Amino acid sequence: GAGVSQSPRYKVTKRGQDVTLRCDPISSHATLYWYQQALGQGPEFLTYFNYEAQPDKSGLPSDRFSAERPEGSISTLTIQRTEQRDSAMYRCASSLGQANTGELFFGEGSRLTVL
Amino acid sequence: KQEVTQIPAALSVPEGENLVLNCSFTDSAIYNLQWFRQDPGKGLTSLLLIQSSQREQTSGRLNASLDKSSGRSTLYIAASQPGDSATYLCAARGGNNRLAFGKGNQVVVIP
Repeated sequence: GAGVSQSPRYKVTKRGQDVTLRCDPISSHATLYWYQQALGQGPEFLTYFNYEAQPDKSGLPSDRFSAERPEGSISTLTIQRTEQRDSAMYRCASSLGQANTGELFFGEGSRLTVL
Repeated sequence: KQEVTQIPAALSVPEGENLVLNCSFTDSAIYNLQWFRQDPGKGLTSLLLIQSSQREQTSGRLNASLDKSSGRSTLYIAASQPGDSATYLCAARGGNNRLAFGKGNQVVVIP
């Protein structure tokens, strides 16, 4: 697509429910990133993919968080048994190559509110 | 762990003045530094990307400089306009392929 697309834009859920967020990166972009941004803070790294490989998931805050990119394109971020502290903006970005030098392009984000 | 600090956290300037936004980072072993603009409820828009071998990048009224050895980058916005009101984030890219972000400079340009 023309830009990074994320869905849903807004999600309100009750504590204990599972949620899945989706990211559709720019076409042909090899690398995809997930970030979490709390209000008034900068985005914090969660994980990234090179195509379908997930070299680094050390930023995921707990084992309730998982991400997939099974075909090297669309990615999902799943949070199981949501807690109120999971409320945040979840941002996805993609980059053309696998090198550390590429420019990152972000989507509009998915705002999650856990009641 | 890379720590990125942005000063000032917030500023207001009258329209037409030049803006100077500062970013500092603790680990100078970066691949590049990227400046973003964030509007309320919107995504992050990439403004400028400076590779570690470069000293500055320019795009229109925007100019960003990078001094790796001192761990600093500065974003200059010339002749500010009300439409420049936003939060500006800088992010340093390390060898672990992560962007480390600052908390942002919140800018208000007063007409």
